[in-house]
Amino acid sequence: GENVEQHPSTLSVQEGDSAVIKCTYSDSASNYFPWYKQELGKRPQLIIDIRSNVGEKKDQRIAVTLNKTAKHFSLHITETQPEDSAVYFCAATYNNNDMRFGAGTRLTVKP
Amino acid sequence: EPEVTQTPSHQVTQMGQEVILRCVPISNHLYFYWYRQILGQKVEFLVSFYNNEISEKSEIFDDQFSVERPDGSNFTLKIRSTKLEDSAMYFCASGQGQGPQHFGDGTRLSIL
Repeated sequence: GENVEQHPSTLSVQEGDSAVIKCTYSDSASNYFPWYKQELGKRPQLIIDIRSNVGEKKDQRIAVTLNKTAKHFSLHITETQPEDSAVYFCAATYNNNDMRFGAGTRLTVKP
Repeated sequence: EPEVTQTPSHQVTQMGQEVILRCVPISNHLYFYWYRQILGQKVEFLVSFYNNEISEKSEIFDDQFSVERPDGSNFTLKIRSTKLEDSAMYFCASGQGQGPQHFGDGTRLSIL
């Protein structure tokens, strides 16, 4: 089945710096890659996603890049703010619709 | 904006008892999912449901688990004989297939 690896497990940055989180996946048939942000005690919330026919997608301070050949995708957050502090999960579709999540990255933005 | 709703928000049950977790997916979605998140760990896929049947299930989803869509709006997860290790947050999600899945706020299940 699909296996999604995520790095790093924790990331601490200074406010205003950039943060990058990386994921790899194993199933070459995966074609949809969402990123979720989860604040403590809350639901995972979709923040950005990318499909396999696109190499990069940007939404304000957040961007995602996808390298299908290497089977990895990354989340980039620029100009980080304290409210960006949360756990971020990458995911990849498996078996058409089913998602498998990475282990998560705890991002801390220090003011 | 339409949301996935889950009830109850917190369920406390004695080990060995049956629990039913309830979800109301977004009304025009056709694909429904249950996930589990043990405290501090990643979101784990349990089961997906489409066209009134299970389309995929993980190794976690063993014989003590079942899902049902008893009417046009509800989607339930039943755990027949709960174990201590079933304590977790259970999230329901829905989607239109091949795209975003929208999560509910979850049910925190505590097994005593």
